[in-house]
Amino acid sequence: QVQLQESGPGLVKSSETLSLTCTVSGASVSRYYWTWIRQPAGRGLEWLGRFYVNGATDSNPSLKSRLTMSVDTSKNYISLKLTSVSAADTAVYYCATYTGSHSDAFDIWGQGTLVTVSS
Amino acid sequence: QSMLTQPPSVSGAPGQRVTISCTGSSSNIGAGYNVHWYQKLPGTAPKLLIYDNNNRPSGVPDRFSGSKSGTSASLAITGLQAEDEADYYCHSYDGSLSGVLFGGGTKLTVL
Repeated sequence: QVQLQESGPGLVKSSETLSLTCTVSGASVSRYYWTWIRQPAGRGLEWLGRFYVNGATDSNPSLKSRLTMSVDTSKNYISLKLTSVSAADTAVYYCATYTGSHSDAFDIWGQGTLVTVSS
Repeated sequence: QSMLTQPPSVSGAPGQRVTISCTGSSSNIGAGYNVHWYQKLPGTAPKLLIYDNNNRPSGVPDRFSGSKSGTSASLAITGLQAEDEADYYCHSYDGSLSGVLFGGGTKLTVL
């Protein structure tokens, strides 16, 4: 069974770079597309982007210039970097994937990690 | 316009039926892309409820059903239970954005 676990600093200063990792267990990171989604407090879900091991990437146009996603096949985790953060980037960040068992619906999610951007 | 619109809130008494709409456009639902639905409880990750418009993953009660027509989709919940109180989100792909869209979410209150 595929399981995902996000980890990160929890607190990031405004204008700095947010870095998160998502450890994958139960499957190789080479197998699926990996997606990052976030939810600001009191607001809805926002798709950030998806990444495949061959480098194929799709990103939310609103974040494209600030967002970098990558995969570490040796350690079996995926990572996200978001530059020049502001208070608007404060959110719970989720990594997720679709295994294909349920079409392209996200059927595997991490538990999420809260990132707060401080001034 | 690339967005999925849901009502902010719906409510119903135990045992009743409620529906949650998800209205899109010709670049997403109307273009034929499938709609998926998630249930989100506070402090937990979203849970897949319906995929490809009207399919339930194993373990999801048949009280939950989905439909799609034109540029809109709906989630129906029958026999409301207190445990159904949660936020519900629709999800589809948008060809203009070349990316995923989520609806704004609907808070279901069981009276």
